[in-house]
Amino acid sequence: DAKTTQPNSMESNEEEPVHLPCNHSTISGTDYIHWYRQLPSQGPEYVIHGLTSNVNNRMASLAIAEDRKSSTLILHRATLRDAAVYYCILRDPFGAGAGSYQLTFGKGTKLSVIP
Amino acid sequence: GAVVSQHPSWVICKSGTSVKIECRSLDFQATTMFWYRQFPKQSLMLMATSNEGSKATYEQGVEKDKFLINHASLTLSTLTVTSAHPEDSSFYICSASEQLASWSGRDEQYFGPGTRLTVT
Repeated sequence: DAKTTQPNSMESNEEEPVHLPCNHSTISGTDYIHWYRQLPSQGPEYVIHGLTSNVNNRMASLAIAEDRKSSTLILHRATLRDAAVYYCILRDPFGAGAGSYQLTFGKGTKLSVIP
Repeated sequence: GAVVSQHPSWVICKSGTSVKIECRSLDFQATTMFWYRQFPKQSLMLMATSNEGSKATYEQGVEKDKFLINHASLTLSTLTVTSAHPEDSSFYICSASEQLASWSGRDEQYFGPGTRLTVT
């Protein structure tokens, strides 16, 4: 599986935008970039995913570099409820069998939001 | 969005006993469910992939006779920790992907809230 690299931790002030970076220099052409987050003592939740174009949804925006070797998750206005560990994961949906649905979690970035 | 539930949310058991954890997809059918384990301050580690109607596929290093997985229907998978020991104390999380007739571009995996197991 292609690997991702994220900073261990980041801090943000409440109500300010947050840019969470992810490097994935060995990404393959069919790998989608997924972001999940895990709030304390909870299961992870889906945030956003994309392939080549930037993506927006109600939770966040995903900016993907033109060469796809890096991406940035953007939270437009951080709230205290956004304090979580954010995971950047590559997944090939066209992989063989059930393995195509597997998610391999790295260490992620722990985001702290300062009131 | 799709909801996955787990029961119980936490359990304390004595060493040597067995514990069953249920994972249910509440409003969708899941051909495949996954079981993860997470130790404190660590990331999620995939334990096994559970396919409806067939044997689970275990990751390397996970004892299949200790962690029994049953996926009897498209909405229920169970993980039984047999002869539990204190080192099995962990946060167990299941996830499921919705069974779709064809590739639609949707690509979410839905996670349960987790079950915290403490073995004394």
